[in-house]
Amino acid sequence: QVQLQESGPGLVKPSETLSLTCTVSGGSVSSGTYYWSWLRQPPGKALEWIAYIHYSGNTIYNPSLKRRVAISVDTSKNQISLKVNSVTAADTAVYYCARADYGSSGWLPFDPWGQGTLVTVSS
Amino acid sequence: EIVLTQSPDFQSVTPKEKVTITCRASQSISSSLHWYQQKPGQSPKVLIRYASQSISGVPSRFSGSGSGTDFTLTINSLEAEDAATYYCHQSSSLPHTFGPGTKVDIK
Repeated sequence: QVQLQESGPGLVKPSETLSLTCTVSGGSVSSGTYYWSWLRQPPGKALEWIAYIHYSGNTIYNPSLKRRVAISVDTSKNQISLKVNSVTAADTAVYYCARADYGSSGWLPFDPWGQGTLVTVSS
Repeated sequence: EIVLTQSPDFQSVTPKEKVTITCRASQSISSSLHWYQQKPGQSPKVLIRYASQSISGVPSRFSGSGSGTDFTLTINSLEAEDAATYYCHQSSSLPHTFGPGTKVDIK
C-alpha cells in the first residue's frame, strides 16, 4: 500500500523560497503511468492543483503558479519535491502530495494523498 | 480554466436523511468528474470517480451521476461519520480544478 509523507519548514518569510519534500513508501515513484502531484489548500478554502511530474521528468504546471514553482523527482530517494519562489501570505496553506494516473480514460482522481503539511508565510 | 460551482455551500442534515450535492462545470467535461470527502484535519479521500464509478472500500450509500456540465453526489441514509466537506474535481482539461466544497453537518 503506497503511502506519502510531506515534510517542510512550517514557517517561511515573505519573498523567500519554500521547499517541500514528499517521501513515497510502499511503492516506487518510477512506477509506470503514475504522475506525482502537489496540491494546496489555504486555511478554510478549497483545494488547488499545483503541478504534476512523471518519473521520466515530464512536468505539467498550473499556469497560475508556473512562474514561481518547480517540481522535481529523485528516483534514488523515492521523493518528489516542490519549490515555490517569492512567497507571500497568499501562499500560506496546507500542502499535499498525491498520486495520479493517466490512462486510456484520461486522468484518474488523486489517490492516495499524504497527510499534508502546513506552511505559514510570515515575518 | 474550467470553473466548478457546488450547491449548496452548507447543509445540516438529520441521520438517515438523503443528501444531494450538485456540481456544475463552466463547460462540458464529459464524465471526467470525481468526488472527494474531507474530514477536519484530514486529507481528501476519493469517493466516486468518472461521475458514477464506485471506489473499492467506499460505502455503497455514496453514489454519483451526471455528465457534461451537471453532476450529483448522493448520500443515501446519512450516517454521523459522513460529517465532512465534499469536493468535486474535474480532470477533463488542464489546469485540473476543484469546486469550492459543500460542508455537511449532522443535526
